[in-house]
Amino acid sequence: DTAVSQTPKYLVTQMGNDKSIKCEQNLGHDTMYWYKQDSKKFLKIMFSYNNKELIINETVPNRFSPKSPDKAHLNLHINSLELGDSAVYFCASSQGGSGSYNEQFFGPGTRLTVL
Amino acid sequence: AQSVTQLDSQVPVFEEAPVELRCNYSSSVSVYLFWYVQYPNQGLQLLLKYLSGSTLVKGINGFEAEFNKSQTSFHLRKPSVHISDTAEYFCAVSAHSSNTGKLIFGQGTTLQVKP
Repeated sequence: DTAVSQTPKYLVTQMGNDKSIKCEQNLGHDTMYWYKQDSKKFLKIMFSYNNKELIINETVPNRFSPKSPDKAHLNLHINSLELGDSAVYFCASSQGGSGSYNEQFFGPGTRLTVL
Repeated sequence: AQSVTQLDSQVPVFEEAPVELRCNYSSSVSVYLFWYVQYPNQGLQLLLKYLSGSTLVKGINGFEAEFNKSQTSFHLRKPSVHISDTAEYFCAVSAHSSNTGKLIFGQGTTLQVKP
């Protein structure tokens, strides 16, 4: 059983399009995250949800909108895609809402290429 | 605010040799420390973490790390590496006072194990 899954694995699209990436975890965790990994492999957190409530919203353009329909799912919608959005996007989850010491479990990543 | 510096972007080493991957951090508050590994085309996986107590922490796959508060370092070591250890290694911190689970990552170190 996959613990944290993401779809799609690869996403190639044109500038200006709108796209979504889906994430699901079956670990029963309360907190989920989205990270962006750029071409130099640098990882930066974008958003975090705890029990469907937004708790981290880094300085991300408002073209990016996370949506959490329930605590097992955290989707990422991106409007008006730009070349600079090309990256690998990772979803992660962790147990508990107040533990900055908790292990985060990462999905396999979604490689987004904007042409 | 916290920051993490991984001093080596690439570390080439021969199989069965020892290796040390260096990590320094900066923070005005107490932090938890983590090492994550990313195998090619996969998500991140926790190797080990330091929360409190003994400064020598043992993790999976024979890795260990030592927390040095005076030098604000958390170097990762393995006495004898295998080809399968070839991967990207990330050092990360999160603030004790944070209840969001926010991780700040270093730039990553590519460990390349040669036969």
